[in-house]
Amino acid sequence: SQKIEQNSEALNIQEGKTATLTCNYTNYSPAYLQWYRQDPGRGPVFLLLIRENEKEKRKERLKVTFDTTLKQSLFHITASQPADSATYLCALFSGGYNKLIFGAGTRLAVHP
Amino acid sequence: GAVVSQHPSRVICKSGTSVKIECRSLDFQATTMFWYRQFPKKSLMLMATSNEGSKATYEQGVEKDKFLINHASLTLSTLTVTSAHPEDSSFYICSASRTGGRKTNEKLFFGSGTQLSVL
Repeated sequence: SQKIEQNSEALNIQEGKTATLTCNYTNYSPAYLQWYRQDPGRGPVFLLLIRENEKEKRKERLKVTFDTTLKQSLFHITASQPADSATYLCALFSGGYNKLIFGAGTRLAVHP
Repeated sequence: GAVVSQHPSRVICKSGTSVKIECRSLDFQATTMFWYRQFPKKSLMLMATSNEGSKATYEQGVEKDKFLINHASLTLSTLTVTSAHPEDSSFYICSASRTGGRKTNEKLFFGSGTQLSVL
């Protein structure tokens, strides 16, 4: 069956450390994958998009990798800050279904 | 960045009533808008894709007559939950795409969501 999985347990890290979130998928061949940030009671906000032919993408303190062999994307936040605390969603585009499929998200808590 | 406005942010209604949720793209024209439903700590589930000037495309298992979608202009899509029941209580979120064709699903702009509580 097709799945997109993110760690359901919250990730707690200390301010200044690098946060690494994982997104694994099975039985999809996405042309691209996106990461969104969602705060409680709010809609998601787009962060980064990475295509299947790209290994890595960076934006300020954010870095995303995409390994189509492992069927995995990693999302890194360097020098994390308490303001980075939120739920991070990965979403892959399924050409077969012609829609974006979202993971359930991982909640990140950055402690001072 | 692009702004998508969604209203109301919260609504409480009695069972059997209908509720309309509006989604507007404020500074761009959106040929395609998407409606999602989200349960606590769960992923966004796509309910339907709304295309301006044509009928919405509903996902499998979503009742068309229950969730009426109207995309009458390039900046406004509405979702009406008809004859709402407690099981319809959820967080509803819209999103809009600035681009069409193959890029329709890239970099979506989301509204702030509507928390619907049906008593």
